[in-house]
Amino acid sequence: NAGVTQTPKFQVLKTGQSMTLQCAQDMNHEYMSWYRQDPGMGLRLIHYSVGAGITDQGEVPNGYNVSRSTTEDFPLRLLSAAPSQTSVYFCASSYSSTGFYNEQFFGPGTRLTVL
Amino acid sequence: GQQLNQSPQSMFIQEGEDVSMNCTSSSIFNTWLWYKQDPGEGPVLLIALYKAGELTSNGRLTAQFGITRKDSFLNISASIPSDVGIYFCAAGANNLFFGTGTRLTVIP
Repeated sequence: NAGVTQTPKFQVLKTGQSMTLQCAQDMNHEYMSWYRQDPGMGLRLIHYSVGAGITDQGEVPNGYNVSRSTTEDFPLRLLSAAPSQTSVYFCASSYSSTGFYNEQFFGPGTRLTVL
Repeated sequence: GQQLNQSPQSMFIQEGEDVSMNCTSSSIFNTWLWYKQDPGEGPVLLIALYKAGELTSNGRLTAQFGITRKDSFLNISASIPSDVGIYFCAAGANNLFFGTGTRLTVIP
């Protein structure tokens, strides 16, 4: 199993550009999520999905869109990049979101800089 | 949003020393998890706790789920250089909330 994969590993954007961060998992996990990590702030939840076709907002959803058309993939779209979105983005997945199965496994991250 | 207070923010210890860090919350959670993050990598799960009062070990690591369900601690015994990294606590019921991390430096 490859686990959770993310592409690209690094990205530089100009203000106003749009892009999609890719995330895929091959563990047949129901739950997938996107976090951003900023210095001194830990990880903050952007959006999450409890299954194909179902998505919901996390703590910091503004400026980001997601969709979940398959169990495996959970792309994160930046609609119009802003310097405040400069961060490291992590995708994570778990078997379920409740009870004993919400141990989340993380991808390697995408380091995004918005100029 | 929810906030987990993790302390200390950083630690500098000699190789062979024991380490203790903890996490507290004003809210009750059903799950406490501890992760380690190496530079340039994603967090890796170390220990998962699901019952209040539960004490779980993973090699030299031991973690406990507080009886009030509002706190957890992680101990590392006999530290080694590869223990260097940032340790995060996380807690939740459905979604997870993360602490701000404890940066551990081990001096050989």
